[in-house]
Amino acid sequence: QQQVKQSPQSLIVQKGGISIINCAYENTAFDYFPWYQQFPGKGPALLIAIRPDVSEKKEGRFTISFNKSAKQFSLHIMDSQPGDSATYFCAASMKSGTYKYIFGTGTRLKVLA
Amino acid sequence: EAQVTQNPRYLITVTGKKLTVTCSQNMNHEYMSWYRQDPGLGLRQIYYSMNVEVTDKGDVPEGYKVSRKEKRNFPLILESPSPNQTSLYFCASSRRTSGETQYFGPGTRLLVL
Repeated sequence: QQQVKQSPQSLIVQKGGISIINCAYENTAFDYFPWYQQFPGKGPALLIAIRPDVSEKKEGRFTISFNKSAKQFSLHIMDSQPGDSATYFCAASMKSGTYKYIFGTGTRLKVLA
Repeated sequence: EAQVTQNPRYLITVTGKKLTVTCSQNMNHEYMSWYRQDPGLGLRQIYYSMNVEVTDKGDVPEGYKVSRKEKRNFPLILESPSPNQTSLYFCASSRRTSGETQYFGPGTRLLVL
């Protein structure tokens, strides 16, 4: 009930292409869905986040699509750049009830120049 | 500069020798958390704290202890480390609850021989 399933495990994209990473959750009480970006040797850092009252959020080249009925959300990186090469984690949490923070297993993205 | 600091950054120890990893934040955040990161498993929450003297178990608490005596500090204690606790550990904090952005420290790489 508390899991967040992330796919794919790794992804290789050409420069300028679109990178898509998917996550699925089970607990409908989750109300905060962030994506974190992690570069080697660094801690994760928030990239973009969405709450379930909207279906899409865009910040620059990064977009979260959220499907509440399917309990799925995805990260789209448009015009992918070599500098986007990193590991991406989706996560889910809630403001009340259990205060756990659940992460997906991560996607290692490599953007080829 | 707003930040989460962890010490030490790297640690090699032997089985059974008690150790403490310190975590401190200067943002007056109420929520603090410890994670371990292992290949293929993503980030798994060990313990979290909603405020001073309020702590609770995450998904993988076995073998770990925490305390929150001051708002800014949240040390992770391994009373009798074992090789399966070899991992990369991250401390994180957020302003009020788990349903918000987590700010991560730089990580502590632990090797238990």
